[in-house]
Amino acid sequence: GQQVMQIPQYQHVQEGEDFTTYCNSSTTLSNIQWYKQRPGGHPVFLIQLVKSGEVKKQKRLTFQFGEAKKNSSLHITATQTTDVGTYFCAGPRGNEKLTFGTGTRLTIIP
Amino acid sequence: DAGVTQSPTHLIKTRGQQVTLRCSPISGHKSVSWYQQVLGQGPQFIFQYYEKEERGRGNFPDRFSARQFPNYSSELNVNALLLGDSALYLCASSLTHDYSPLHFGNGTRLTVT
Repeated sequence: GQQVMQIPQYQHVQEGEDFTTYCNSSTTLSNIQWYKQRPGGHPVFLIQLVKSGEVKKQKRLTFQFGEAKKNSSLHITATQTTDVGTYFCAGPRGNEKLTFGTGTRLTIIP
Repeated sequence: DAGVTQSPTHLIKTRGQQVTLRCSPISGHKSVSWYQQVLGQGPQFIFQYYEKEERGRGNFPDRFSARQFPNYSSELNVNALLLGDSALYLCASSLTHDYSPLHFGNGTRLTVT
């Protein structure tokens, strides 16, 4: 069945460094969403991408949807301690309206 | 505006027991989805309901069931609890049943002993 994989599983960066997480699907996605979950918290919606090759920015965060709509990336410029958390991509999968990826856990070294 | 509310926040049950978790969606949201999140993993889809009808079901056993009420609130029931059912159960509401962004509640932490 369709899988949504993310790499890396963990990422430790110095504060101020950049961070990127990649999301890959085995099948074409009609859309992809990104969520952030702080430690001890619940997932919070960040953005939705729908169009092939779409790029969206939110301050220091840049989201990209691949041309084939099978992959996506989230890039954070100049990380801050507030960026700590696990970042999930999520896409539709058969009868499941939204399947979450495996997540990338970001920790910041001050 | 109030967000998604879930109750209880924590629950401890014994193997073989039954549990009911409750969720109230954001006002105006007609769809409720349930997810199970085991520590260190991503949320796993259990059910989605829209306008009181089941619109999606994940790969969970029949011990898991849910329903949605006319006021759009929802309950998740789990029978014959197993140790492996210990997890954070997240409820999320959305405007519609398609690919509207999900708004999650704080979850119910279920521990099965």
